[in-house]
Amino acid sequence: AQSVTQLGSHVSVSEGALVLLRCNYSSSVPPYLFWYVQYPNQGLQLLLKYTTGATLVKGINGFEAEFKKSETSFHLTKPSAHMSDAAEYFCVVSDRNNDMRFGAGTRLTVKP
Amino acid sequence: GAVVSQHPSRVICKSGTSVKIECRSLDFQATTMFWYRQFPKQSLMLMATSNEGSKATYEQGVEKDKFLINHASLTLSTLTVTSAHPEDSSFYICSARDGRDNQPQHFGDGTRLSIL
Repeated sequence: AQSVTQLGSHVSVSEGALVLLRCNYSSSVPPYLFWYVQYPNQGLQLLLKYTTGATLVKGINGFEAEFKKSETSFHLTKPSAHMSDAAEYFCVVSDRNNDMRFGAGTRLTVKP
Repeated sequence: GAVVSQHPSRVICKSGTSVKIECRSLDFQATTMFWYRQFPKQSLMLMATSNEGSKATYEQGVEKDKFLINHASLTLSTLTVTSAHPEDSSFYICSARDGRDNQPQHFGDGTRLSIL
């Protein structure tokens, strides 16, 4: 069984500040891990994914995430927040059968 | 990149009407498509998984006769909300995955369904 916990349903940062969205997972098999972003009234857009190989994954819009097996974490970071980053972010864990489990989501607010 | 087209983006209709939502993969063959429902300020809830040419697999608590899913080709899946009522109002999102390993799901832009 797999599950995802996103710590903090709402994160607020100032423009230019570091963005850190936390995600911990539980999986009985080596997981695939994803971060998706959702803008209001839109579907989900893939930011980045980890399947195998390098544990530091770079995605679109300057985001990156690091898979840490020992901590069962896959936190999402961006060095400098931009106003356009304000959105809902979902951490997702999947097994090889593509059974995806979504986190509850974290709403990112960026203050000017 | 992979594109999934979902149509319509918004539907407003009277109670008792049936509504069909289409989900198309535009540049890849989607062996599997997924239908999600999202309530305001909540995460996505998987409703069903459909594989091309076979019956959909519904999640527990999802009414098969209320939410009819057809996946007739490798690029098209449809969700029909039958005899819709106000409680069916929601944001519905489809996703598609091609058959290759390690591929993520690609999501449509969602359909906002409002039943009056």
